[in-house]
Amino acid sequence: DAGVTQSPTHLIKTRGQQVTLRCSPKSGHDTVSWYQQALGQGPQFIFQYYEEEERQRGNFPDRFSGHQFPNYSSELNVNALLLGDSALYLCASSLNRDQPQHFGDGTRLSIL
Amino acid sequence: QKEVEQNSGPLSVPEGAIASLNCTYSDRGSQSFFWYRQYSGKSPELIMFIYSNGDKEDGRFTAQLNKASQYVSLLIRDSQPSDSATYLCAVGTGGFKTIFGAGTRLFVKA
Repeated sequence: DAGVTQSPTHLIKTRGQQVTLRCSPKSGHDTVSWYQQALGQGPQFIFQYYEEEERQRGNFPDRFSGHQFPNYSSELNVNALLLGDSALYLCASSLNRDQPQHFGDGTRLSIL
Repeated sequence: QKEVEQNSGPLSVPEGAIASLNCTYSDRGSQSFFWYRQYSGKSPELIMFIYSNGDKEDGRFTAQLNKASQYVSLLIRDSQPSDSATYLCAVGTGGFKTIFGAGTRLFVKA
């Protein structure tokens, strides 16, 4: 039973660039949420996708956008990267809301 | 006021003792409550979830929920050095958003 998979595992970008992170949910899960985790902090909710639509969004600017595909996989796009975007980006999947979320290993994004 | 608050720790307990981790939340409409364990450099791992007032036990772990006091806790019995990690409390607000606390660092001394 495959868990949540994320790619890439590490990424180094420079300010102003754009990045796309990918996530495949755990088998049987239809809901994908994205989080940003800075060092020493808890994960911060970016947005959640269900049935290919963004259901709710956290306090993140429009530079952060996403997409969910018919197979439930998802992408997180970040434009005009800032130094402050350096963080661990986590994808979590669940079977609809309020159900336990299972996390992937994350993508560590470093902005130079 | 933070939406989900945890004592950052570190909480240090001897091996074999009971570790008690606490969390308070601000949204009275919250309906689901989760505890995650996160080892340094790793992603969060689900340990327990609870939806109703009272206690829920799973092995060495017990989650306790008191909605009237807006309080949720995690007890770890017979603590082991391998339990040393950061424990994250997460609260589902009844919408589609889950809010995490900043975590409590636990050290179990051998």
